[in-house]
Amino acid sequence: GEDVEQSLFLSVREGDSSVINCTYTDSSSTYLYWYKQEPGAGLQLLTYIFSNMDMKQDQRLTVLLNKKDKHLSLRIADTQTGDSAIYFCAESKALRGKLIFGQGTELSVKP
Amino acid sequence: DSGVTQTPKHLITATGQRVTLRCSPRSGDLSVYWYQQSLDQGLQFLIQYYNGEERAKGNILERFSAQQFPDLHSELNLSSLELGDSALYFCASSEDFGTGELFFGEGSRLTVL
Repeated sequence: GEDVEQSLFLSVREGDSSVINCTYTDSSSTYLYWYKQEPGAGLQLLTYIFSNMDMKQDQRLTVLLNKKDKHLSLRIADTQTGDSAIYFCAESKALRGKLIFGQGTELSVKP
Repeated sequence: DSGVTQTPKHLITATGQRVTLRCSPRSGDLSVYWYQQSLDQGLQFLIQYYNGEERAKGNILERFSAQQFPDLHSELNLSSLELGDSALYFCASSEDFGTGELFFGEGSRLTVL
């Protein structure tokens, strides 16, 4: 079945690294995404990884994928107050197919 | 600005009523998706259209229906509204090439009283 799970809250201090975790159940998931939602706004893609990759780095963002454990993580280096938002993990079986989202992790960054 | 436009931004109505939410996708995007976001259910996929045809269906109630018109805009119709239908309804569109990224509108917030 399709199920994506995330912890609901994470609080870090400005300048620290944040790690947001996600687990998914569908082993046929091919594409995995991280989206960010700021208050009053829609979701915005942060980064993505294909299932044939283990890691992807994009500036302050590092995505790690453990296919065996069906575990995805997003690391944000040098977290800033502007990073405070809700972060959603999502999976898809096909490019441009429907995305199944986790519940979202609310990241709070304290100065 | 994602380029996806949703109207109305806010809507308050009574139980039993019917409403229509409208979405204009990014210029050139053929795929439109509808999602419902609520506190208890999170982000739920409702339905996907591609160039006017239904492509995938998710947890969409029978009281809800959608369509995509020849100009590619889409409408989500919600009828016999219940209190539990109060939620934020997002439309997203995707391009036909690239990463499959969904571009989301800002949502239509529906409150059913």
